[in-house]
Amino acid sequence: EVQLVESGGGLVQPGGSLRLSCAASGFTVSSNYMSWVRQAPGKGLEWVSVIYSGGSTYYADSVKGRFTISRHNSKNTLYLQMNSLRAEDTAVYYCARDHVTYAFDIWGQGTMVTVSS
Amino acid sequence: AIWMTQSPSLLSASTGDRVTISCRMSQGISSYLAWYQQKPGKAPELLIYAASTLQSGVPSRFSGSGSGTDFTLTISCLQSEDFATYYCQQYYSFPRTFGQGTKVEIK
Repeated sequence: EVQLVESGGGLVQPGGSLRLSCAASGFTVSSNYMSWVRQAPGKGLEWVSVIYSGGSTYYADSVKGRFTISRHNSKNTLYLQMNSLRAEDTAVYYCARDHVTYAFDIWGQGTMVTVSS
Repeated sequence: AIWMTQSPSLLSASTGDRVTISCRMSQGISSYLAWYQQKPGKAPELLIYAASTLQSGVPSRFSGSGSGTDFTLTISCLQSEDFATYYCQQYYSFPRTFGQGTKVEIK
């Protein structure tokens, strides 16, 4: 079965760090573009970051310099390292396969990140 | 970045109605446009990609049209399970961008 399962969310203080994981099954993470998308409470969808199959990365301006996307090929897992977290980073974070033809065709269930003191 | 204007933000309709949602781009994106449905507490689900191609398993009452800068999602005969929020999204370039969303509610 093709699926993505996120983990690692939780409550963190402003300025803190958190690492999200996204375990894939049924397809190979390293052969695809993979993105993180977030959704603040009651708000719309916001794209955060992508890692290309070749390993290049790209970030939204709102997270550039604070977040790092990476993957572990043998674990078939995608990561998002989030540093210097702010209240405005509070959101549900989804990982998704970013297909050149099919757009975001596979989504995880999401993991909640709350940044608060 | 490519900006997207999705309208309306709220649509009140009844079961059986035909509804249309629009999405306009700040620049041309060919047909690199997708539509998603999201229900409360759930991840978005892909409905349509390449502007008009129905994702496998999506009912045929959903259809998409358009190219370049103007796109439309149509639900031909609204069913109870279609009351949800819908988003358009361009995948022509990075950063990927989404429309603001259209909530389809029961009239």
